[in-house]
Order: sequence, then structure tokens, then C-alpha cells
Amino acid sequence: NAGVTQTPKFRVLKTGQSMTLLCAQDMNHEYMYWYRQDPGMGLRLIHYSVGEGTTAKGEVPDGYNVSRLKKQNFLLGLESAAPSQTSVYFCASSPIPGELFFGEGSRLTVL
Amino acid sequence: AQSVAQPEDQVNVAEGNPLTVKCTYSVSGNPYLFWYVQYPNRGLQFLLKYITGDNLVKGSYGFEAEFNKSQTSFHLKKPSALVSDSALYFCAVRLYSSASKIIFGSGTRLSIRP
Repeated sequence: NAGVTQTPKFRVLKTGQSMTLLCAQDMNHEYMYWYRQDPGMGLRLIHYSVGEGTTAKGEVPDGYNVSRLKKQNFLLGLESAAPSQTSVYFCASSPIPGELFFGEGSRLTVL
Repeated sequence: AQSVAQPEDQVNVAEGNPLTVKCTYSVSGNPYLFWYVQYPNRGLQFLLKYITGDNLVKGSYGFEAEFNKSQTSFHLKKPSALVSDSALYFCAVRLYSSASKIIFGSGTRLSIRP
């Protein structure tokens, strides 16, 4: 009953460091999404994927890169972290666009 | 620009009273609309959706939502609030121009007092 699993759940970075957030889903969903959640701003779409080997930009893609080499995994990378990227990151998957299944979130702090 | 708006940051309701959480949208074409709920330190959970058909849709935990095309609204409702309904609620829309993009509103915190 794993659903959508995000790792790590917490991370502290220094400005300029790089890291990768991993999202894994075991529901064989085609669509996967990365969102960031900030107080008063709701969820903003960073990148998404409509299937293995595909990625597309969302509302706030700058400073992030993604890859979907395997259908079940969607990776979000920060090449050079900035304090503005301090946020809670949520991954979601969907069999069709709309009814999303979310992970528990990854809290990232950039000092 | 295509968007979804939740005009109230917070809604306070007494237990047992009806509740409404408002959502308005601005999208091209026929919208696909959704409501999600988020409990503290958790991911979002799907509540209900409107795709087509009956303007009143029913969802999880006794919630329902009314689609109003002329007012471009999709308000979330419940006839009798429970303390356990206290949470953060998000309205979302699937964009017509890019069917894979799901855009969320800023969220409304619902607080139910005993």
C-alpha cells in the first residue's frame, strides 16, 4: 500500500549545494507532477511528466530540473540551491490528469 | 491567464452548521474542476471532481460541490460541519490548453469550532 513515496522527507542545504528529490509510485500511473507549497501561495506546479521519458515545464520551473527515466520514478533536481527554494515539495501521480495521488511531502530548507 | 481563485484565506463555522468554501475559475473551454483537502503535515487528498453532467457533485466525507458556469464558480459545501473537517482546502482546475496541467488555488483554511 505504498502509493506515492518521497525521499528524503527533510533536508537542509547550504546555498549553492545540489540535491535530488526522489518520487516513486507503485500504481502504474502515466502522469507525475512536482509541486511546491509556500504559505499563502497554495501549490505551484514546477514540472510534470505525461509518461516515461517525457517532461514539461509548469508554472515555476526555473532553478529545477527533472527526469523520468522509469515510469515509476520522477526525480526533481536542484543544481545550485537558493534560499528562495526553501519550501515543502509534493510529488503526485495520476492515471488521468486531475485526480492526483500525493506523497507526504519533502521539507527543504536552504540556508 | 488561466487561473483559479479562493477568495477567503479562512472560514470559521460552528459544528453542526452548514459550510461553504468558495472557488472561482478563469479558464478557456470546459473546465475540469477538483477539490482537495490537506490535514496538518500530510499530502493532499482528493475529495471530488466535476467533469461534465450534473452541476452538483458529491464526494468524500459528506462534501459536495456546485458547479455554476455563469458565475464561473465551484463552491465546496457540507450541510453539517464536523470538528474533524478542520483542514486546508484547495480548489484545482485542469487547464484546457494543456490537459496535463493541474493548477491549484491558494487554499482556504477551514476551522470548525465545537
